[in-house]
Amino acid sequence: DGGITQSPKYLFRKEGQNVTLSCEQNLNHDAMYWYRQDPGQGLRLIYYSQIVNDFQKGDIAEGYSVSREKKESFPLTVTSAQKNPTAFYLCASSIDPILTSGQETQYFGPGTRLLVL
Amino acid sequence: DAKTTQPNSMESNEEEPVHLPCNHSTISGTDYIHWYRQLPSQGPEYVIHGLTSNVNNRMASLAIAEDRKSSTLILHRATLRDAAVYYCILIGYNQGGKLIFGQGTELSVKP
Repeated sequence: DGGITQSPKYLFRKEGQNVTLSCEQNLNHDAMYWYRQDPGQGLRLIYYSQIVNDFQKGDIAEGYSVSREKKESFPLTVTSAQKNPTAFYLCASSIDPILTSGQETQYFGPGTRLLVL
Repeated sequence: DAKTTQPNSMESNEEEPVHLPCNHSTISGTDYIHWYRQLPSQGPEYVIHGLTSNVNNRMASLAIAEDRKSSTLILHRATLRDAAVYYCILIGYNQGGKLIFGQGTELSVKP
């Protein structure tokens, strides 16, 4: 079955530690996205990538980094510079970047919950 | 950024229709209206989208006002599995193509 997988489901971070969240898709989608969701809130865009080896900052990129070396993979690193990393992190993909039209549907993974020890 | 306004919460009885409203008075002519829903501790899933005309799919119907300043998501027969947070989102050139999620409407369904 095609879809988006995120791992791990839960992740614990110690003070000063960098952690990496995995996102893989086998939908052959060009565009991929990372969102952060705080309790009771909507999603906020961290980074997005329209094509391999290219990515852009979203609204809350500070303290995060990404790479897009393969079409299928878009890992997110939460660095020690992110002072409040506790949140639910969601990865998504779409066939084409939603910049090109208003009709693209985004497909979301199951999410990773990051907690600080 | 174009803004949508939704009620924080709504209640419905099982097997009854549900009408979830959304106001988007600053919508531009090229913005599409999308609806996503998010079940507890899961990622959002796409429900439906439209531009001007009403739309139907297997999950729901979308009724768009003639002036496009509001829309309504219609679940024809609510089930317990429809309990979720429903997000109304505008997508288009003015948003840079980004999905901008508000707080959504939390729908609870009573048996």
